[in-house]
Amino acid sequence: GENVEQHPSTLSVQEGDSAVIKCTYSDSASNYFPWYKQELGKRPQLIIDIRSNVGEKKDQRIAVTLNKTAKHFSLHITETQPEDSAVYFCAASRGGSYIPTFGRGTSLIVHP
Amino acid sequence: KAGVTQTPRYLIKTRGQQVTLSCSPISGHRSVSWYQQTPGQGLQFLFEYFSETQRNKGNFPGRFSGRQFSNSRSEMNVSTLELGDSALYLCASSFSNEQFFGPGTRLTVL
Repeated sequence: GENVEQHPSTLSVQEGDSAVIKCTYSDSASNYFPWYKQELGKRPQLIIDIRSNVGEKKDQRIAVTLNKTAKHFSLHITETQPEDSAVYFCAASRGGSYIPTFGRGTSLIVHP
Repeated sequence: KAGVTQTPRYLIKTRGQQVTLSCSPISGHRSVSWYQQTPGQGLQFLFEYFSETQRNKGNFPGRFSGRQFSNSRSEMNVSTLELGDSALYLCASSFSNEQFFGPGTRLTVL
């Protein structure tokens, strides 16, 4: 089955800095890569996703890049703000009836 | 559309008891997945139901079971509770790829 590794487990940055979270996956058939943000005490919510036919996707201060050959994808957050502090989960899926496999999460702390 | 709802939100049980958790998906979503979330372990997949049938299953013991009704609402049951079952149990409904999570049920086993 699919295996998703996520690093780092904890990331501490100063407000205004950039943050990068990296994930690798094992199943070359995976073609859908979502990222979820979970604030303390709240449910995970999708913040951005990318499909295997695209190498990069941006949405304001967040972007995701995908390298299919190396089987890794990354989340980039620019100009971080304290409200970006949360746990971020990456996931990989074949889509269809396949359930996404999640990484273990990265706790991002943005210091004001 | 109303989001995914879960009941109850909090539950305290003792070892050996059983518990049933409920999840109502977003209207029109036929897939419901269940996850166990504990600190440091991320989101561990329990099982997925689609049109009243278990379609996918994770690596959890048989004490964990579930079902789905014709209206897509789903329940999960944990029998003979152990201390290690204390966790946040999340359900998620989906129509295609994107999963929409409920607020979770916080289960504490004493």
